[in-house]
This record gives sequence, structure tokens and C-alpha cells, in this order.
Amino acid sequence: NAGVTQTPKFQVLKTGQSMTLQCAQDMNHEYMSWYRQDPGMGLRLIHYSVGAGITDQGEVPNGYNVSRSTTEDFPLRLLSAAPSQTSVYFCASSGGLNNEQFFGPGTRLTVL
Amino acid sequence: RKEVEQDPGPFNVPEGATVAFNCTYSNSASQSFFWYRQDCRKEPKLLMSVYSSGNEDGRFTAQLNRASQYISLLIRDSKLSDSATYLCAVKNYQLIWGAGTKLIIKP
Repeated sequence: NAGVTQTPKFQVLKTGQSMTLQCAQDMNHEYMSWYRQDPGMGLRLIHYSVGAGITDQGEVPNGYNVSRSTTEDFPLRLLSAAPSQTSVYFCASSGGLNNEQFFGPGTRLTVL
Repeated sequence: RKEVEQDPGPFNVPEGATVAFNCTYSNSASQSFFWYRQDCRKEPKLLMSVYSSGNEDGRFTAQLNRASQYISLLIRDSKLSDSATYLCAVKNYQLIWGAGTKLIIKP
């Protein structure tokens, strides 16, 4: 099992550009989520999904869109990048009895 | 007040010492509690779930105090490889994360 995979690992954008961060999991987990992590702020939930076709907003959803067309994939779209979106982005999935969250390796995004 | 709070540290501890972290939470209806470990520039990984009766995994002991609304993590006989940031997570409807406590083990 690859677990949770994310691409790209690094990305530099200019203000106003759009892009999609990819996330996939092969554990057949229903729940998937996107976080951003900033120094001293901890992990903040952007969007989450409880299954294919179902998404909802987390704590900091503005400027981001998601979709969940399959159980495996949960892409995050930045509509018009801003410097405030410079961060490390983690995708996670969870399931099973313990409901442990498994994280992808992260995408380091810089917006100039 | 943040929903989940941790001492940011860093904790500088000599190898072999015992170190304890606390994590306080504000929502008394919280149902599940976790400790994660995050190495520098890596993703968080589950260290332990925290059960009501307390639980132990080798050198690591986790405890829950519902009355005072905190969880704790105790690391005994600390190793250099324990150096990392330790995140607590508390679940009610969603997982809410503390900002993490950085631990540095010195030889």
C-alpha cells in the first residue's frame, strides 16, 4: 500500500495563479481532509469529505475548492493564489476502528 | 482561548531523562484523544491514542483527565531519536489540533 500520496512536493506560484494539489489514498478510507500548517498555528482544516460526492468546509476554506468524485482522490484547488496561502499543505485520510488519520508527505507552497 | 492548547516549548532535555507534555482542551464533549509525532519537514504520524484508563506503549505513557480536561504524554528514558514535535489532537465532531510541543533531546 502506498498510503496517502500527494503531488507536487514543492510549488512556487505567482499571485493570481491557480493550481490543483493532488491527493490520493489506497486504503479505501471514506474520510479525507486537507490541512494547512503554519508556524505556531498547528494544523488547520481547510475542507473535508466523508465520502465520494460529499464535501464540506473546515475552519479556513476561503480561497480553496475541493471535489470528491472517487473514494481514492481528493484534489484541492487554489482559485487565485495569494501570499497568505504560502504554507505546507497536508492531505489526510482516516477510517477503521481507531479512526487514525494517515497523512500524505505534504506540499510546500510558496506564493510570491 | 484556543480549543486545544499545548506548551510550544522547546523542551531541552538530556538523554535518559523523563519528559512530560500536557495538552488542554476546552470542549468537555470531546470523545477521542491522540498524540502524534512530527519530525522536521515531515508529516504527522500517530504515536498513541489516549484511552480513559490510560495506556502505555514501551517508554511512552498517555493519560486522560476528563475532570480537568487535559491529556498527557510521558516519555521515559528519552533517546536522541525522540527529538521531534509532539502534537495532540482532540476529536468531537472534527479533529482539533494543538500547535505542537518541540522536544530536543541532548546527548
